[in-house]
Amino acid sequence: GQQVMQIPQYQHVQEGEDFTTYCNSSTTLSNIQWYKQRPGGHPVFLIQLVKSGEVKKQKRLTFQFGEAKKNSSLHITATQTTDVGTYFCAGTGRRALTFGSGTRLQVQP
Amino acid sequence: DTAVSQTPKYLVTQMGNDKSIKCEQNLGHDTMYWYKQDSKKFLKIMFSYNNKELIINETVPNRFSPKSPDKAHLNLHINSLELGDSAVYFCASSQGGPSTDTQYFGPGTRLTVL
Repeated sequence: GQQVMQIPQYQHVQEGEDFTTYCNSSTTLSNIQWYKQRPGGHPVFLIQLVKSGEVKKQKRLTFQFGEAKKNSSLHITATQTTDVGTYFCAGTGRRALTFGSGTRLQVQP
Repeated sequence: DTAVSQTPKYLVTQMGNDKSIKCEQNLGHDTMYWYKQDSKKFLKIMFSYNNKELIINETVPNRFSPKSPDKAHLNLHINSLELGDSAVYFCASSQGGPSTDTQYFGPGTRLTVL
């Protein structure tokens, strides 16, 4: 079945540093979604990428979808303490969303 | 207004008991889901209903039985609880099918089986 892996599992940065998480799928994806889960909270939708090579920005967050539609990345510029949480990619094939393993981001003030 | 709500928020119970978790969405969505998030934060889909019809049923023990009385509600009943059932269970909903649309998650139910 479809597998979606994320790296790193965990990253600890100083406030102001950049952060990137990478998502890789074993199969070609129809689209990819990104979610953020704050500690003790629930996943909240951030963005969806559909086109091969697509790049989208939300303030300090930049999302990319690979040309082959099998990988994606989320880059945060100049992290803030409010960025703390676990970031999940979720790939869609034919049936359902398959969530990646998540990257937990800790930001040191 | 809470878009997707779940009750209870916490559930502590003994092995062997039967328990239910309820979910309601007021977004007018057609599709609802149950996810299980284990201690390592892996989010795994369990079931999905579209307009009260079961459309996704992953490899889940048949001790777990979802029920959708109407498209705004999706409940999860668990029989003969086991230690390994301890996890956070999230309900979610989406307007369209599971492979295309944004999913809106409920606050989660933390189940602890002793």
